[in-house]
Amino acid sequence: DGGITQSPKYLFRKEGQNVTLSCEQNLNHDAMYWYRQDPGQGLRLIYYSQIVNDFQKGDIAEGYSVSREKKESFPLTVTSAQKNPTAFYLCASSISSGLEQYFGPGTRLTVT
Amino acid sequence: AQKVTQAQTEISVVEKEDVTLDCVYETRDTTYYLFWYKQPPSGELVFLIRRNSFDEQNEISGRYSWNFQKSTSSFNFTITASQVVDSAVYFCALHTGANSKLTFGKGITLSVRP
Repeated sequence: DGGITQSPKYLFRKEGQNVTLSCEQNLNHDAMYWYRQDPGQGLRLIYYSQIVNDFQKGDIAEGYSVSREKKESFPLTVTSAQKNPTAFYLCASSISSGLEQYFGPGTRLTVT
Repeated sequence: AQKVTQAQTEISVVEKEDVTLDCVYETRDTTYYLFWYKQPPSGELVFLIRRNSFDEQNEISGRYSWNFQKSTSSFNFTITASQVVDSAVYFCALHTGANSKLTFGKGITLSVRP
């Protein structure tokens, strides 16, 4: 079945550690996105990539980094510089920018 | 700048009631797209509908209907004869040609009681 996978579903880390969240899609979509969701808030865009080997900062990119070496994969690294990393992280993809985005199941990151 | 306002934060209804979720958007672009997504308790967002700015025709899909009015910059979502399975957070979102990102509203938590 085509879709977007994110792993793991729950992730726990100690403060000061970098952590990488996985996002893989087999929909052959060009564009991929990372969002952060906090309780009672909408989704805020962290980074997006419209094509392999290219990505742009979203609204809240500070403390995060990404790579897009393959069309299928768009991993997100939450660095120790991110002041408040505990959140629900959602990855999405779309055929191209402007069209509907399809979301993965999300990763809930807890940093203590 | 783009903005999406979902003024209702939480709505609670009894099963079989009709419910309307409001969405008001702001943009200076003449070409844009509006979306509704559903986020059930599992967390994954489910795409419901996309509407472009040149198509003001209302749409109906089963118990779901959408009312797009450019004159009031609104894109409201109505669930007819609500069911418990409709309980979720619903997000309205806006995409314009000026950038490549979706701007989301803060979401409306809908609870449907049996």
